[in-house]
Amino acid sequence: GQQVMQIPQYQHVQEGEDFTTYCNSSTTLSNIQWYKQRPGGHPVFLIQLVKSGEVKKQKRLTFQFGEAKKNSSLHITATQTTDVGTYFCAGILGFGNEKLTFGTGTRLTIIP
Amino acid sequence: DTGVSQDPRHKITKRGQNVTFRCDPISEHNRLYWYRQTLGQGPEFLTYFQNEAQLEKSRLLSDRFSAERPKGSFSTLEIQRTEQGDSAMYLCASTIDRTLQETQYFGPGTRLLVL
Repeated sequence: GQQVMQIPQYQHVQEGEDFTTYCNSSTTLSNIQWYKQRPGGHPVFLIQLVKSGEVKKQKRLTFQFGEAKKNSSLHITATQTTDVGTYFCAGILGFGNEKLTFGTGTRLTIIP
Repeated sequence: DTGVSQDPRHKITKRGQNVTFRCDPISEHNRLYWYRQTLGQGPEFLTYFQNEAQLEKSRLLSDRFSAERPKGSFSTLEIQRTEQGDSAMYLCASTIDRTLQETQYFGPGTRLLVL
């Protein structure tokens, strides 16, 4: 089974409300990446976090990497209809490992 | 278009038939990954290549699956004797190997339906 879990699995929000998805790994991650997949589309890279406690912002999106490098979060402020999709975190588990392990994803739908 | 391309985009086949998918990575990318994604799940790693060398295979990759990247450019993924459980989206991704912490660029995927 997948070792990287995300909650919630689904989130329905009113347009303009905030949204947060949480990513938790059973093992330490050397980095964490976030991807967005639109319905019917393929994953598109959003950002990568490497350092413990790192915070990065992209316009309305804020990404955090936990101090222990086992968890991460993505927060979207004032959601818009264009934010619809499934958000996946993906990490490299441990060190010396060279493949990404994807999380279970959070599917965001927006109520206009 | 200089992105990752995959062919075909959709494939319907009968159980027991063989299928082959192709992935053309971004030209300067030397790493190529194959993933499988089923409905409601995240992509699951299958295998990856560094140039023409296949460096790792997942336990998900049964002996009915084989992947090649003969010249270090495009790659093929073949599934022999397909089963209904093979129905999924097969995604290819490529990256340039500067560090271990590189981002991956995904292709549009091949959606396989086994009847």
